Amino acid sequence: QKEVEQDPGPLSVPEGAIVSLNCTYSNSAFQYFMWYRQYSRKGPELLMYTYSSGNKEDGRFTAQVDKSSKYISLFIRDSQPSDSATYLCAMKRDQAGTALIFGKGTTLSVSS
Amino acid sequence: DSGVTQTPKHLITATGQRVTLRCSPRSGDLSVYWYQQSLDQGLQFLIQYYNGEERAKGNILERFSAQQFPDLHSELNLSSLELGDSALYFCASSVAEADTQYFGPGTRLTVL
Repeated sequence: QKEVEQDPGPLSVPEGAIVSLNCTYSNSAFQYFMWYRQYSRKGPELLMYTYSSGNKEDGRFTAQVDKSSKYISLFIRDSQPSDSATYLCAMKRDQAGTALIFGKGTTLSVSS
Repeated sequence: DSGVTQTPKHLITATGQRVTLRCSPRSGDLSVYWYQQSLDQGLQFLIQYYNGEERAKGNILERFSAQQFPDLHSELNLSSLELGDSALYFCASSVAEADTQYFGPGTRLTVL
């Protein structure tokens, strides 16, 4: 079993839809959780960074962490065609840790 | 644009050859990370340097090596290349070791 599992999709939604992206993980030591967005032929860019369990909101994006279930989610409200990209979850054990463990990414397509 | 630069953008070479990938971190960043992204494995951490010193190693093959120079740029050397080494190689940088990692645009390596 991989440390981080992520459904690769593809996920296709119409413009304006609410999108839910998810990752599960097996290592209960993970405490720091991130979501990166990667456009085609580009490097990943950080969208959200959360610590431990709870919610964090930034504009149209909400990140949720449920450590008891080892499950993290990213919600995108009012999705736009410009949100079409691959979304990667990433996590690490402690703040001093440097190596990020990534999911394989979910490809999202938002049609206008 | 993250401010991290990588050269070259594309590299096509043959099995058994050696190549060098170059990364310039964002201005002021002391830490450099190398990742490999392939379709089957996803994004995997290879190695990290901080201010010229190796700090963490991930799934890096013995045929691969890296270094960070006094001007903080880094090079990843891949030798005895195999078909399976074909992948995207990303460099990321951060101010300090535990800070947010900003990714470069990547180098696409094709081994024929």
